[in-house]
Amino acid sequence: NAGVTQTPKFQVLKTGQSMTLQCAQDMNHEYMSWYRQDPGMGLRLIHYSVGAGITDQGEVPNGYNVSRSTTEDFPLRLLSAAPSQTSVYFCASSYSGLAGSGANVLTFGAGSRLTVL
Amino acid sequence: GENVEQHPSTLSVQEGDSAVIKCTYSDSASNYFPWYKQELGKRPQLIIDIRSNVGEKKDQRIAVTLNKTAKHFSLHITETQPEDSAVYFCAASRGNTDKLIFGTGTRLQVFP
Repeated sequence: NAGVTQTPKFQVLKTGQSMTLQCAQDMNHEYMSWYRQDPGMGLRLIHYSVGAGITDQGEVPNGYNVSRSTTEDFPLRLLSAAPSQTSVYFCASSYSGLAGSGANVLTFGAGSRLTVL
Repeated sequence: GENVEQHPSTLSVQEGDSAVIKCTYSDSASNYFPWYKQELGKRPQLIIDIRSNVGEKKDQRIAVTLNKTAKHFSLHITETQPEDSAVYFCAASRGNTDKLIFGTGTRLQVFP
């Protein structure tokens, strides 16, 4: 069981470039999400998905796109990178089920550090 | 949407003392309140959670209390140890398939 796998771990982009952060989980979790972490601002939700084919916006969705074509994968796309998107990005997934069964407990990936120059 | 406020942003205690971190939430429909610990350079990990059908939950030195009327919940760490030093995040959700919204974090430092 690899858990939640994020790639790449580090990336440097120039303003205006596009890229995709990959996220894959092998736990058959229905729920997947992307957060960004900035100093003093905690973990802010970008987008989330409750199942294949379903995505929704979080707190800070502007500048990011997501898709969920399979249960396992939830890529995050930066369409035109800006310096304000310099951050550490975390993908997380959880099982949606009965309370007490581990439902809603997020398993996080190791994070992807993105720098936009 | 849900808004979670967390205080204090930093907390320094002596080893053996207790630490308390408080959070308030805005959405009265929220019913799931987890706490995550993030050590330096690591990913966040769940340490304890509580659902709205209980008022308090304990796990060894860690406890969480919930006041649904006042819409606030707190993390209590007793007999703190240097390895408790980390950033702690509270969060709130309506549960099940709903999104989880985090507070801004508390950096806890435990001095020997």
